[in-house]
Amino acid sequence: DSGVTQTPKHLITATGQRVTLRCSPRSGDLSVYWYQQSLDQGLQFLIQYYNGEERAKGNILERFSAQQFPDLHSELNLSSLELGDSALYFCASSVAGGRTDTQYFGPGTRLTVL
Amino acid sequence: TQLLEQSPQFLSIQEGENLTVYCNSSSVFSSLQWYRQEPGEGPVLLVTVVTGGEVKKLKRLTFQFGDARKDSSLHITAAQPGDTGLYLCAASMDSNYQLIWGAGTKLIIKP
Repeated sequence: DSGVTQTPKHLITATGQRVTLRCSPRSGDLSVYWYQQSLDQGLQFLIQYYNGEERAKGNILERFSAQQFPDLHSELNLSSLELGDSALYFCASSVAGGRTDTQYFGPGTRLTVL
Repeated sequence: TQLLEQSPQFLSIQEGENLTVYCNSSSVFSSLQWYRQEPGEGPVLLVTVVTGGEVKKLKRLTFQFGDARKDSSLHITAAQPGDTGLYLCAASMDSNYQLIWGAGTKLIIKP
């Protein structure tokens, strides 16, 4: 158990819909990261927050948005969903968001878009 | 274009054999990490290397960072079924906080 929690574990929805994925970081960690992993592929970095502020942005689509709240939990919002958005979405957290920090990953949310 | 190339993409060997997987790039990195991911779970950090030529050992696993900090290798001695998983390398550059990830090597160790 990494200490990072993600909800829901599974999500099935239809094209065109909007969903929200939630992440609670490890106690004491200030930085949160979001990743997308398609079937049998590596991780695609989406976005990173540190103490409520956006720190780095990867290949995140305009239809996706995220935020980190004052209590440090984070939400990833996916809208106008397409079939290709079906994937595992991971949240990770680290102490200070540094380049060599250990990132602790949650169990992931499996999103299926029908 | 994948900035970090991992090879092989897939490897299936018998228990007890040795193996090496590679992570290569044309870019210079300030640090590189290796993670292992089991099915249905998130990746777990194995090691971080930061110095060119650095070698780190973790039981039967040996990690090496290339002298020029453009490549890395992971060698497993006497592989066991418990080593089965997806091995991912991730590297960082001085210019930004974002980790760049390889596509992974899927390793299966058969009993």
